[in-house]
Amino acid sequence: DSGVTQTPKHLITATGQRVTLRCSPRSGDLSVYWYQQSLDQGLQFLIQYYNGEERAKGNILERFSAQQFPDLHSELNLSSLELGDSALYFCASSADGRSTDTQYFGPGTRLTVL
Amino acid sequence: AQKVTQAQTEISVVEKEDVTLDCVYETRDTTYYLFWYKQPPSGELVFLIRRNSFDEQNEISGRYSWNFQKSTSSFNFTITASQVVDSAVYFCALYSNFNKFYFGSGTKLNVKP
Repeated sequence: DSGVTQTPKHLITATGQRVTLRCSPRSGDLSVYWYQQSLDQGLQFLIQYYNGEERAKGNILERFSAQQFPDLHSELNLSSLELGDSALYFCASSADGRSTDTQYFGPGTRLTVL
Repeated sequence: AQKVTQAQTEISVVEKEDVTLDCVYETRDTTYYLFWYKQPPSGELVFLIRRNSFDEQNEISGRYSWNFQKSTSSFNFTITASQVVDSAVYFCALYSNFNKFYFGSGTKLNVKP
């Protein structure tokens, strides 16, 4: 158990809908990362937050947004969902803002868009 | 351009064999970091190692070892005396260029008893 929790574990929704994925980092970790893993695109880095502020942005679509709250949990919002958004979404956390720190991954949220 | 290539899509070995997973990267940055992650059949991602571009020393951790060669832009991963529990997909990643990660497509390792 990495200490990173993600909810929900599974999510099934329809095209055009909006969903929110939640991540709680390990106790004491200030940085949160989001990744998408799909059959088509493989594993992709989406975005990183450090202590509430955006630190780095990867291949995140404009339909997606994220934030990190004062209690350090993070949410990834996906809107106007398309079939291609079906994927496994991982959250990871690390101790501070350096992206070279060891990252601890949550179990992922599997999103299915029908 | 930043890119990570894992040319081996899938490798099958018999338990106790040694196996090397290849990783070739491209970057113009002089400072960068390389990573290996493991994704077992259960699906979670596990961080294995981080190496920065200024440290070309090879590293050994138990049955795992990593060979970093800047001259060939490679960061290969060797498992010695493989075990069934090593069966997983292994990802190599590059961190550079404004705090972004670039992942390879992964190599699926099957270790048969």
